[in-house]
Amino acid sequence: SQQGEEDPQALSIQEGENATMNCSYKTSINNLQWYRQNSGRGLVHLILIRSNEREKHSGRLRVTLDTSKKSSSLLITASRAADTASYFCATDKVDTGFQKLVFGTGTRLLVSP
Amino acid sequence: DVKVTQSSRYLVKRTGEKVFLECVQDMDHENMFWYRQDPGLGLRLIYFSYDVKMKEKGDIPEGYSVSREKKERFSLILESASTNQTSMYLCASSLGQGIIGTGELFFGEGSRLTVL
Repeated sequence: SQQGEEDPQALSIQEGENATMNCSYKTSINNLQWYRQNSGRGLVHLILIRSNEREKHSGRLRVTLDTSKKSSSLLITASRAADTASYFCATDKVDTGFQKLVFGTGTRLLVSP
Repeated sequence: DVKVTQSSRYLVKRTGEKVFLECVQDMDHENMFWYRQDPGLGLRLIYFSYDVKMKEKGDIPEGYSVSREKKERFSLILESASTNQTSMYLCASSLGQGIIGTGELFFGEGSRLTVL
C-alpha cells in the first residue's frame, strides 16, 4: 500500500525558477526522506527530516514537515537543468518492528534551459 | 565511496525461466532491500533482510524469493518468471537502527528485467 503521495505528478519550469513538490502520507512516522532518481538510474538520498523537526536545509534544498497535516514539501531554489529528475518521498511506519521505507509515486521535474 | 552493485543492468528472459538478481554492498550494512519500480506505481517493497539468513516479506512477495547467505550479498530469485514481472528491480541497503527510525537507503543502479 502507498504511504506517501507526491503532488504534482509532473512539473515543468525554467532554469532559475523554484520548484516545489509536496508529499502527503497516511500514518504516523519516525522520519520522512526525499530521494532523487535520474532517468533509468537508482535513487539517491537527498535529505531526511525527523518527526520532531519542522524544517531542514541542504544547499539549495529546503524541506518542511507538518505532522499535524501529515504532509511535507521539498523546495529546490534556483533550479538548474541538471535538477531534471524524479523526486520521491519515503516514510517509515511507527508501528513496524522492522526498518522499511514506503515510497510515493514520485514527481517528475523537468527544468528547461 | 559507498557502493551497492547490482550484477546486471539489463536482462531478457523467457517465461518460466528461473532468474537470479544479485546485489552486493560494501558498507557493512545490516539491512538490505529489494524493490520493484513500475510506472505510476512507484517503488514497492518485495523482500528485505535485517541480518544474514534472515528475511521478511514486503508488500509484494508473491512470485519471488530471496537469499542472504553473507552479510554483503542479497539475492532476489524469480522461480518461474512471468511477463508481469517485467520491471525495474532496485536493491538498497541501510545501517541497522532497530525501531527508532529508518535511516538513509543506498541504492544500486537497478536491473531492468524483461520477461518475454
